[in-house]
Amino acid sequence: QVQLQQWGAGLLKPSETLSLTCAVSGGSLSGYFWSWIRQPPGEGLEWVGEISHSGSAYYNPSLKSRVTISVDTSKNQFSLRLSSVTAADTAVYFCVRVSLVDITATGLGYFSMVVWGKGTSVTVSS
Amino acid sequence: SSELTQDPAVSVALGQTVRITCQGESLRSYCANWYQQAPGQAPTLVIYGENNRPSGIPDRFSGSTSGNMASLTITGAQAEDEGVYYCNSRDSDYNQLFGGGTKLTVL
Repeated sequence: QVQLQQWGAGLLKPSETLSLTCAVSGGSLSGYFWSWIRQPPGEGLEWVGEISHSGSAYYNPSLKSRVTISVDTSKNQFSLRLSSVTAADTAVYFCVRVSLVDITATGLGYFSMVVWGKGTSVTVSS
Repeated sequence: SSELTQDPAVSVALGQTVRITCQGESLRSYCANWYQQAPGQAPTLVIYGENNRPSGIPDRFSGSTSGNMASLTITGAQAEDEGVYYCNSRDSDYNQLFGGGTKLTVL
């Protein structure tokens, strides 16, 4: 059973860089995308970005200039860096396993996100 | 368009049927995933694809898509079904999208 264990600094000052890591146990990085999704206090879910095991990355356009997601296959881990943080980046950050996109019989794309980390609360405050 | 729209809140009597909807142009190209989130917990996937349930999800949960609208139906709602439900898909640039969430109350 695949599990995700995540960690990183929980309190940052404005302009610092957020850094989180997610370790994958019980499975390989291959064959999936690996995503970061965040949730500000009392708000909904926001996709930050995702990366394949080979390093192909996609980022939320609204965060793209500040986000880097990387993968370390030797450690079976992937990481998130978000630079120049502000209070608006205060959120619970989840690491998530994303299935590859497949096509239904009616021609629609589909994917799934079954495995989630427990979340890391990050607060940005001076 | 790169938005998914959900009603903020819905209520259902215990044992009755409720439908939660999600609307967006991306749903013409991608199926909606549906997640249930309890307070303080990570989301749990309940429906993906055209109408697929992950292992362990009760069969009272079902999904459907028509045009630019996707629906999650709970047939015979239980108290443990309370929570916030999010729909999720991708846009044409492969970016993931989330709806704003629908808070379900079971009366």
